[in-house]
Amino acid sequence: DADVTQTPRNRITKTGKRIMLECSQTKGHDRMYWYRQDPGLGLRLIYYSFDVKDINKGEISDGYSVSRQAQAKFSLSLESAIPNQTALYFCATSDLIGTGTDTQYFGPGTRLTVL
Amino acid sequence: AQSVTQLGSHVSVSEGALVLLRCNYSSSVPPYLFWYVQYPNQGLQLLLKYTTGATLVKGINGFEAEFKKSETSFHLTKPSAHMSDAAEYFCAVSYNTDKLIFGTGTRLQVFP
Repeated sequence: DADVTQTPRNRITKTGKRIMLECSQTKGHDRMYWYRQDPGLGLRLIYYSFDVKDINKGEISDGYSVSRQAQAKFSLSLESAIPNQTALYFCATSDLIGTGTDTQYFGPGTRLTVL
Repeated sequence: AQSVTQLGSHVSVSEGALVLLRCNYSSSVPPYLFWYVQYPNQGLQLLLKYTTGATLVKGINGFEAEFKKSETSFHLTKPSAHMSDAAEYFCAVSYNTDKLIFGTGTRLQVFP
């Protein structure tokens, strides 16, 4: 079984709809991240959480919210989806080994299309 | 602002040829440096990273990268490309935090 899972894997929705992307991990890591990937732009950080009570905005948090329900679960919500949120979304986890040196482990991604 | 530049959004090589993917960072303080690979329809996985010590780092699948402080570079190489190396490669940096800054990626095509 995969260590980091994301559901759904693909989603098509309409402008204005609320949508939630879910991430679960079995690695026992405290740190979790949400990124979006756009062609030619690489990956950009949306939100990150260093533990259940610690949630932080990333580079592009506007239009998104998150919930850390447990150590293993980190959800990303789009309250009112818009077409420019069409992208590939990745969840990642890391364990604290040394500040800045940790490997991040990525889920398989969720492809979101907003019509 | 701290950033990562990957020269060439697409690189094409023949099977058996040298692979060279370029990465430069812009900061006066050397960061921690990473290369991640993304195979089609998959998430990213770590190829290799430089944190301290020897500047030539060996990774999985025969890839290696050398940290050159004077050139602010961390280029990824592989002596002989294989068809299975076709993927997108991302260089990333971090600066004493657990936030990664990614480059825009280089898509590697390998022709028979």
